[in-house]
Amino acid sequence: DAGVTQSPTHLIKTRGQQVTLRCSPKSGHDTVSWYQQALGQGPQFIFQYYEEEERQRGNFPDRFSGHQFPNYSSELNVNALLLGDSALYLCASSLGSGEAGELFFGEGSRLTVL
Amino acid sequence: GENVEQHPSTLSVQEGDSAVIKCTYSDSASNYFPWYKQELGKRPQLIIDIRSNVGEKKDQRIAVTLNKTAKHFSLHITETQPEDSAVYFCAASQNRDDKIIFGKGTRLHILP
Repeated sequence: DAGVTQSPTHLIKTRGQQVTLRCSPKSGHDTVSWYQQALGQGPQFIFQYYEEEERQRGNFPDRFSGHQFPNYSSELNVNALLLGDSALYLCASSLGSGEAGELFFGEGSRLTVL
Repeated sequence: GENVEQHPSTLSVQEGDSAVIKCTYSDSASNYFPWYKQELGKRPQLIIDIRSNVGEKKDQRIAVTLNKTAKHFSLHITETQPEDSAVYFCAASQNRDDKIIFGKGTRLHILP
């Protein structure tokens, strides 16, 4: 059983560019959450997708957007990249049963903005 | 919104001793409190969690306690081993919307 997979694993962009990160959830999971983890910090909640809609959003600007597809996979898009967007972006999947439960994380996509 | 504070940021303990990491949360509606372990270069993984209807939960060398009145919860690791060296994150969530908010982490070093 494949766990959560993310792509790409590493990428380098320059300021002002746009990036798309991809996530496939663990088999059987229908909810995808995205987190930003800066070096030495805890994961910060960006948003969560359930039933192809954004269900919750953290304190991130509109430059951060996402999408969930009918097969539950998800994309995170960041426009107009800033140096401060450099971080590890973690995708986590779970069951959207209405009760909080275990998050299964992917290995992350490490974004460097130059 | 929910805010989770965690301390200490770094903790060094002698192998075999106990380690305690403490967290506080701000939203009294939170009722789910997981702890994640992240080894260097790896993904965070759940090690134990507790819901607000219990005050303590134990799993082998790991235990978590919860004080809802004070909005505190703690992770206790006994008989520490080298493989316990990692960063530990506490988190809090409300069942209602399933958003999980993390603390900033505690880097635990187990000294030989």
